[in-house]
Amino acid sequence: DTAVSQTPKYLVTQMGNDKSIKCEQNLGHDTMYWYKQDSKKFLKIMFSYNNKELIINETVPNRFSPKSPDKAHLNLHINSLELGDSAVYFCASSLGTSGSGDEQYFGPGTRLTVT
Amino acid sequence: AQKVTQAQTEISVVEKEDVTLDCVYETRDTTYYLFWYKQPPSGELVFLIRRNSFDEQNEISGRYSWNFQKSTSSFNFTITASQVVDSAVYFCALSERGTYKYIFGTGTRLKVLA
Repeated sequence: DTAVSQTPKYLVTQMGNDKSIKCEQNLGHDTMYWYKQDSKKFLKIMFSYNNKELIINETVPNRFSPKSPDKAHLNLHINSLELGDSAVYFCASSLGTSGSGDEQYFGPGTRLTVT
Repeated sequence: AQKVTQAQTEISVVEKEDVTLDCVYETRDTTYYLFWYKQPPSGELVFLIRRNSFDEQNEISGRYSWNFQKSTSSFNFTITASQVVDSAVYFCALSERGTYKYIFGTGTRLKVLA
């Protein structure tokens, strides 16, 4: 059983379109995250959710809207896609015990290409 | 402010050589957590180790070992007798207590040549 899964694995779309990436974890964790990894492999946190509540929004454009319907799911919707949004997006989860720096488990990533 | 520096962008070694990946961090908190992750060419991120700021004991796991030194704010990672399968990008990361935020270094690409 995959611990953290993401769909789709690849996403190719045109500028201006709207797209969503789905994430699910079956680890029973309380906290989920979205990261963006650019072409230089730089990994930056975008959002953190704890028990379905937004904890961190790292100055991400409001074209990006995360949604957590329950603790096991954290989806990412992106409006009006731009060329600069091309990257690999990783979902992750952790136990999330009061932000005590638990190790994170990552999904396989979604490679988004905007043309 | 939190910061993680991995000064080595890329390292190449020949199989069976030992290699050390450096990680220097900055934090004002007294309670924090340090991590290493591996990203092989297939792209997934694999958790390797977590260390809290109160535990300065070095750790060894097979060919992997970690040296945590608060005095120099470093958390270095050594691979002994490297193998081709160790070829990957390795990331060091830091999280301060209560923040739910993880700061990653820029990664070190390790190439192990046969």
